[in-house]
Amino acid sequence: NAGVTQTPKFRILKIGQSMTLQCTQDMNHNYMYWYRQDPGMGLKLIYYSVGAGITDKGEVPNGYNVSRSTTEDFPLRLELAAPSQTSVYFCASCLGQGTYEQYFGPGTRLTVT
Amino acid sequence: GEDVEQSLFLSVREGDSSVINCTYTDSSSTYLYWYKQEPGAGLQLLTYIFSNMDMKQDQRLTVLLNKKDKHLSLRIADTQTGDSAIYFCAERGSSASKIIFGSGTRLSIRP
Repeated sequence: NAGVTQTPKFRILKIGQSMTLQCTQDMNHNYMYWYRQDPGMGLKLIYYSVGAGITDKGEVPNGYNVSRSTTEDFPLRLELAAPSQTSVYFCASCLGQGTYEQYFGPGTRLTVT
Repeated sequence: GEDVEQSLFLSVREGDSSVINCTYTDSSSTYLYWYKQEPGAGLQLLTYIFSNMDMKQDQRLTVLLNKKDKHLSLRIADTQTGDSAIYFCAERGSSASKIIFGSGTRLSIRP
């Protein structure tokens, strides 16, 4: 199992550009999450999904969109990049039962200038 | 709303014990977790404790839960340089689908 994979690893965007951060998991997990991690601020939940076709807003959803058309994939879309979206983005997945342990991808470091 | 708090930094001497503390607000928490983040990597589950337990031991790790005070601690015995990382406390509360993370405690090891 590859676990949770994210692409790209790094990206620099200009203000106003758009991009999609990709996330794929091969563990047949029902739940998937997107977090952003700012220095010294811990993790903030952007969006999450409890299954294909179902998505919900987290703590900081403004400026982002998600879709969940398959169990495996949970892409995060930035439509009009702003400097405030400079951060490290982590995707995670979870079976959705038992201990609810979350498995994290390696992260995408995004800089908006 | 739900909140998880922990101190930002801890420095210990190699070979000593490290104790990382965490407080949370959600009294309906079912699971509480400790995640470890090494530089440039995602978080990895270190250990967890179910809310009806007071203590859990796993090799060098001891987790203590005081449910009355909503206080969780992680003790790492015989701290090694490989333990240098950021440690996140997290809790799964009333919302089954979400886990709330603390801001993380950066553990540094002195020789």
